[in-house]
Amino acid sequence: AQKITQTQPGMFVQEKEAVTLDCTYDTSDPSYGLFWYKQPSSGEMIFLIYQGSYDQQNATEGRYSLNFQKARKSANLVISASQLGDSAMYFCAMRDDRGGGSEKLVFGKGTKLTVNP
Amino acid sequence: KAGVTQTPRYLIKTRGQQVTLSCSPISGHRSVSWYQQTPGQGLQFLFEYFSETQRNKGNFPGRFSGRQFSNSRSEMNVSTLELGDSALYLCASSLGVRGSYGYTFGSGTRLTVV
Repeated sequence: AQKITQTQPGMFVQEKEAVTLDCTYDTSDPSYGLFWYKQPSSGEMIFLIYQGSYDQQNATEGRYSLNFQKARKSANLVISASQLGDSAMYFCAMRDDRGGGSEKLVFGKGTKLTVNP
Repeated sequence: KAGVTQTPRYLIKTRGQQVTLSCSPISGHRSVSWYQQTPGQGLQFLFEYFSETQRNKGNFPGRFSGRQFSNSRSEMNVSTLELGDSALYLCASSLGVRGSYGYTFGSGTRLTVV
């Protein structure tokens, strides 16, 4: 069974600094996708970045980058130059990409990020 | 392009009642997935519909059911509500083909059972 572990319940960072949010995963499937989502207090889940298990390079999207270490089964999110608007819950999620076509996501418990001015 | 629309946004129900939540996906999207979010259990997968067929189902009791219509809109129903069903219910829509794109979520329906 797939499992996502986010060990940091809360993180604090100063505005304009970089922060790393940890995510480790457990799966026996060779093909999977990893996602990061942001959830502000309004409740909506906002997609940030995706990494496929066969991707050779780490994914980047603007200020977000994913530090993918396949052997360690980790997919940490790095946010550069933090902004006050980055304060939110952040969720790491995995999708099993074996046959069947299902797009079910398995989520971690999340990390609450607070950006201080 | 309109996003994913979930209605209602808030709902208060009494134990034992039933409730129906609605999710209208992005135009052209054929897949809708439902998730339950609670402080204790986090985000848990309920079910997924693609082209009116249930493609996957999570580990929830039979009181939770869903369906998808020909226009891809989806509804989920919870019968005989329990206090523990109080949660934020989120739906996500997609084209239905796995890719490197992220799934678009609605703002959710916050259900309170009293």
